[in-house]
Amino acid sequence: EAAVTQSPRNKVAVTGGKVTLSCNQTNNHNNMYWYRQDTGHGLRLIHYSYGAGSTEKGDIPDGYKASRPSQENFSLILELATPSQTSVYFCASGDWGSSYEQYFGPGTRLTVL
Amino acid sequence: GDSVTQKQGQVTLSEDDFLFINCTYSTTTYPTLFWYVQYPGQGPQLLLKVTTANNKGISRGFEATYDKGTTSFHLQKASVQESDSAVYFCALVDVGNTGKLIFGLGTTLQVQP
Repeated sequence: EAAVTQSPRNKVAVTGGKVTLSCNQTNNHNNMYWYRQDTGHGLRLIHYSYGAGSTEKGDIPDGYKASRPSQENFSLILELATPSQTSVYFCASGDWGSSYEQYFGPGTRLTVL
Repeated sequence: GDSVTQKQGQVTLSEDDFLFINCTYSTTTYPTLFWYVQYPGQGPQLLLKVTTANNKGISRGFEATYDKGTTSFHLQKASVQESDSAVYFCALVDVGNTGKLIFGLGTTLQVQP
């Protein structure tokens, strides 16, 4: 069954440390997205990608980098993690054209101490 | 820019009650609108899609419609069950930009047995 998976599901990091969140999709979608979800803010777009090798900034990219080494994999990288980046992160995949539907992974809960 | 407003933060109903959730949107293009549902500990799941082509979506007993005149779209269900307790998000596709989803803040539905 086509799916979006994320790892790790939970992560505790220290301030100033490097964190990498991984996402894998078997939907064969060109586009992939990283969102964060916070109470009072809903879901906000951090980075997205149109395909392997491409990354684009979303609405709140500061403090985050992204990497898309293949069609299936999309990573979110926090080079110097801060407590303000404590959140739940969701990866999604989708395609343009007639659908624009996006399919989400189960999320990663990140706590930065 | 495009935007979505979802004002109902929390709705509490009893089983077999009627559910109605409303969102308003603003866009300069033909809208493509979604309803997502999120259960605790999970990522958002696509529930329904509404476009100017179909005007209405139906799935799992839920019905979504939109009103171009008032730029609003609605989610309704005739008879809710305890298992429908979840957070419901409306979303608008930013067609002219990234294809990203612009989410409302979500409505937490609690259905009491």
